[in-house]
Amino acid sequence: GNSVTQMEGPVTLSEEAFLTINCTYTATGYPSLFWYVQYPGEGLQLLLKATKADDKGSNKGFEATYRKETTSFHLEKGSVQVSDSAVYFCALSDLFGFGNEKLTFGTGTRLTIIP
Amino acid sequence: DTAVSQTPKYLVTQMGNDKSIKCEQNLGHDTMYWYKQDSKKFLKIMFSYNNKELIINETVPNRFSPKSPDKAHLNLHINSLELGDSAVYFCASSQVGQPLGGQSREFEAFFGQGTRLTVV
Repeated sequence: GNSVTQMEGPVTLSEEAFLTINCTYTATGYPSLFWYVQYPGEGLQLLLKATKADDKGSNKGFEATYRKETTSFHLEKGSVQVSDSAVYFCALSDLFGFGNEKLTFGTGTRLTIIP
Repeated sequence: DTAVSQTPKYLVTQMGNDKSIKCEQNLGHDTMYWYKQDSKKFLKIMFSYNNKELIINETVPNRFSPKSPDKAHLNLHINSLELGDSAVYFCASSQVGQPLGGQSREFEAFFGQGTRLTVV
């Protein structure tokens, strides 16, 4: 079946450092790819998404590019802030048919930014 | 206006009890889900419903029974709670959109704030 493999955490960086969180996937068909973020004590929020190969999703300074040739969707940010501390989840959409869709998640990567 | 809301936010209960978690979405979506997040933050789908019909049921003990009275609501009832049921339960909803070209289709899921269930 479809699966998502995500960089193991935790990741600790200093403020203004460059961030990369790796994500690779295995899928049949044409999945969309997502990054969700979970801030401490909160629910899941969509951070960005890409729906087809070579699409770049971006939001709040974060970017990820859908790379079909390497089956990857790595998350990057040029300069992280303390407020970016959260757990980040890579996910793909399994669309078996209308009404039968679901998200498959990676294991999550806990990111801590220190001032 | 909260898109996907679930109650309660926290639930502490004793082993053997029966409890329910409620979920409502005001997005007009056709599909709703329950996901379970374990202590290591791993998220796994439990159920999905489309227009009140059960679509996905992923190897979940039959002590867990979802109920969808209408397409805007999906409740989760758990019988005979066990210690291992302690987790955060997330409700979500989604709508599959128009084709994007090839076989890709627009899809996005919205999540509730989660219910932290602690069984003691």
